[in-house]
Amino acid sequence: AQRVTQPEKLLSVFKGAPVELKCNYSYSGSPELFWYVQYSRQRLQLLLRHISRESIKGFTADLNKGETSFHLKKPFAQEEDSAMYYCALNGAGRRALTFGSGTRLQVQP
Amino acid sequence: GAGVSQTPSNKVTEKGKYVELRCDPISGHTALYWYRQSLGQGPEFLIYFQGTGAADDSGLPNDRFFAVRPEGSVSTLKIQRTERGDSAVYLCASSFDRADEQFFGPGTRLTVL
Repeated sequence: AQRVTQPEKLLSVFKGAPVELKCNYSYSGSPELFWYVQYSRQRLQLLLRHISRESIKGFTADLNKGETSFHLKKPFAQEEDSAMYYCALNGAGRRALTFGSGTRLQVQP
Repeated sequence: GAGVSQTPSNKVTEKGKYVELRCDPISGHTALYWYRQSLGQGPEFLIYFQGTGAADDSGLPNDRFFAVRPEGSVSTLKIQRTERGDSAVYLCASSFDRADEQFFGPGTRLTVL
């Protein structure tokens, strides 16, 4: 079985502060991990995927197989980063994504 | 181009009724997915189509739920004998092929009274 855990429902930081959104997963094989974001009144969209190893909007995420984590990080939060963030996993060649319950990021001015 | 569209955007029905939710994927996308998102939760997989066939329907909760994609484009999710627990946002996503990024629609909010 595959499972994604996002322990924080809400993360509130001030503008310019570092951000780390936690994601832990449970999967016995080699998963593919994603971060999706949903801004207010917008649809869910892909932020980044671990195989791309890229930085999007200043966000990065590193897959740590030893700790089974895929935390999302940004060194300096911006107000426009305020949104709902979902970590997702795709395993064993399945195309269906398993999502975590999401973390709401609030960046205060 | 146009993204994934879903109709209706909102649907209110009574317990026991039948509902159909429609998804129009991005043109040319062969893969189509349905997810359900309950309040305070992440999306939960229901069914995945590759072309016209359901390649994975392991997420359908019971036999009241059924989905079709007869021509490999538009898909309809059908729920029979709706229950209050079916109330959720139903999301559709499509991708160019199995390995590609999934693009999500705006969702249909279903409320069963």
